[in-house]
Amino acid sequence: EIVLTQSPGTLSLSPGERATLSCRASQSVTSNYLAWYQQKPGQAPRLLIYGASIRATGIPDRFSGSGSGTDFTLTISRLEPEDFAVYYCQQYGNSPRTFGQGTKVEIK
Amino acid sequence: EVQLVESGGGLVQPGGSLRLSCAASGFTFSSYWMHWVRQAPGKGLVWVSRIKNDGSITSYADSVEGRFTISRDNAKNTLYLQMNSLRAEDTAVYYCARDGISSGWSNDYWGQGTLVTVSS
Repeated sequence: EIVLTQSPGTLSLSPGERATLSCRASQSVTSNYLAWYQQKPGQAPRLLIYGASIRATGIPDRFSGSGSGTDFTLTISRLEPEDFAVYYCQQYGNSPRTFGQGTKVEIK
Repeated sequence: EVQLVESGGGLVQPGGSLRLSCAASGFTFSSYWMHWVRQAPGKGLVWVSRIKNDGSITSYADSVEGRFTISRDNAKNTLYLQMNSLRAEDTAVYYCARDGISSGWSNDYWGQGTLVTVSS
């Protein structure tokens, strides 16, 4: 099973700042099948990025994904108030699908 | 509009059983693989099970293999998760999620979740 390790655990930033979230895989992710999800309290996860770098439908362009192989990054260029949430990476190229433990982006 | 609505959660004693349902609408359900993902209180997301669009292939996380059974009724546009021999560690919100054909097979739509509590 591929283990995904996200860092940092918590990111304390102010609105307007840039957020950089990391996801490292224990082995290469097949075909860069790496997704990022946003989850707010009491809500279901929301797909942001798939294929490591492709924005899902309706996702603002301040969200971007990059990386390949074992190292992936989600960048939020300028944090909006609604972006403060928990973010998960997921690999879906190997079975079982696995998620990282999450990064909480909180208001500083 | 794509909608996934879970139901069937509740309080059950250890060793008991529960069947979750996920009613799908707004898309051709029979064309999509479907998944169950769970989240224990205050914890992260954990994949549980998946089923091929025609029901012919299923797979499970090791932690539920032999206890949980995923199934679907394409005529009723409904996904199921039969959970037997429940344990305290199965306590979680259970989400159904769709494999997105146009999103590279990532999980593009999720239900709102149903809470399962295993406790005496």
